[in-house]
Amino acid sequence: SYVLTQPPSVSVAPGKTATITCGGNNIERKTVHWYQLKPGQAPVLVIHSDTSRPSGIPERFSASHSGTTATLTISGVEPGDEAEYSCQVWDSTNDHPVFGTGTRVTLL
Amino acid sequence: EVQLVESGGGLVQPGRSLRLSCVTSGFTFSDYALSWFRQAPGMGLEWLGFIRSKTYSGATEYAASVEGRFTISRDDSKSIAYLQMNSLKTEDTAFYFCTRSYYFYSGGLTTSGAFDKWGQGTMVTVSS
Repeated sequence: SYVLTQPPSVSVAPGKTATITCGGNNIERKTVHWYQLKPGQAPVLVIHSDTSRPSGIPERFSASHSGTTATLTISGVEPGDEAEYSCQVWDSTNDHPVFGTGTRVTLL
Repeated sequence: EVQLVESGGGLVQPGRSLRLSCVTSGFTFSDYALSWFRQAPGMGLEWLGFIRSKTYSGATEYAASVEGRFTISRDDSKSIAYLQMNSLKTEDTAFYFCTRSYYFYSGGLTTSGAFDKWGQGTMVTVSS
């Protein structure tokens, strides 16, 4: 089955930039979405369709999708941004979603 | 305003059944696929399955971990989706979430948009 690989963790000082990568076979041919996950809370969509930010998501969340990697960037990281972030694509072969392995963002 | 509200969770003994509901409002329910996810304590998000819109036959797909035990259904007249869980196990203890996505054909393949709206979740505890 399709696998999306992310770094397990990223540590960043408050106010700095966190960069999270997501890699997968032929990911350049897929549409990537990004979610913020916190325990016991509903997931929050922070980026959809590779680079689009839903209404209500701060501008400090941005993303790019180039070549074999999709990237989520959080600029000016705030304490509330501490969470796990997961990329997601749709596996059209098996007709179900695939989530990345998840990246824990921790503030220094 | 788009809303999804799960209910039906609680404490249940192993081997018993439970049905969760996802009551929705604020959007055209029949146009969307509905998915169920869960998050066990200390674990990541797990996709359980989804039901397509009637446009795509209303067919379902399930994760291997729950296929045969869990069943997803929908009532478009009430804008509600259901998750029927049978033969529950202690490892089914988790927060359960429903979410919507727009399922469609693109380039001859089926695909889905993002899971853009989620319910707040309902806790299911399986314990004797």
